[in-house]
Amino acid sequence: GIQVEQSPPDLILQEGANSTLRCNFSDSVNNLQWFHQNPWGQLINLFYIPSGTKQNGRLSATTVATERYSLLYISSSQTTDSGVYFCAVVRGDYKLSFGAGTTVTVRA
Amino acid sequence: KAGVTQTPRYLIKTRGQQVTLSCSPISGHRSVSWYQQTPGQGLQFLFEYFSETQRNKGNFPGRFSGRQFSNSRSEMNVSTLELGDSALYLCASSATSANTEAFFGQGTRLTVV
Repeated sequence: GIQVEQSPPDLILQEGANSTLRCNFSDSVNNLQWFHQNPWGQLINLFYIPSGTKQNGRLSATTVATERYSLLYISSSQTTDSGVYFCAVVRGDYKLSFGAGTTVTVRA
Repeated sequence: KAGVTQTPRYLIKTRGQQVTLSCSPISGHRSVSWYQQTPGQGLQFLFEYFSETQRNKGNFPGRFSGRQFSNSRSEMNVSTLELGDSALYLCASSATSANTEAFFGQGTRLTVV
């Protein structure tokens, strides 16, 4: 099956800092999503981005499908940005394949 | 528009028992998929249903089963529970297929003792 690798596994930031999370995938995909898992376990949709660039407030994402990677940018980080960020892809088989996640800790 | 609803939110069961979890997708969504999340294995795909048909199944033993009803609501069942089945079970819905954006419910946290 398709392999999804996220880096770094852990990220510690000072409030106000910027950061970049990376997602590499091993094959072409039909769908790519970024999620933030809240402390209660729910996966919150950040971006649906099989290709191109999108922005939502302080967050933005870019997927370069031909090179099989996606980047999630967090600018001016806040303590509420803490949590686990997941990248997930679909390769036409009706299932999301998830990376292991990046745990982000933002310190005040 | 209501989101994906999973019930119950928490469950404690004894080894050997069986459990049924429920998922109501977003209105109009016909695809429902299930995932298991554990600290050791991460998020793993269980199965996906569309219009009451299972289209894909993950690598889980036959004790894990599911179904989808005509109103797109889905249930998953785990029989003969083992300690290792303790996990967060997440349900996702999407409009038509996995090529469209998936939205997740709050999850059911199952503890097997």
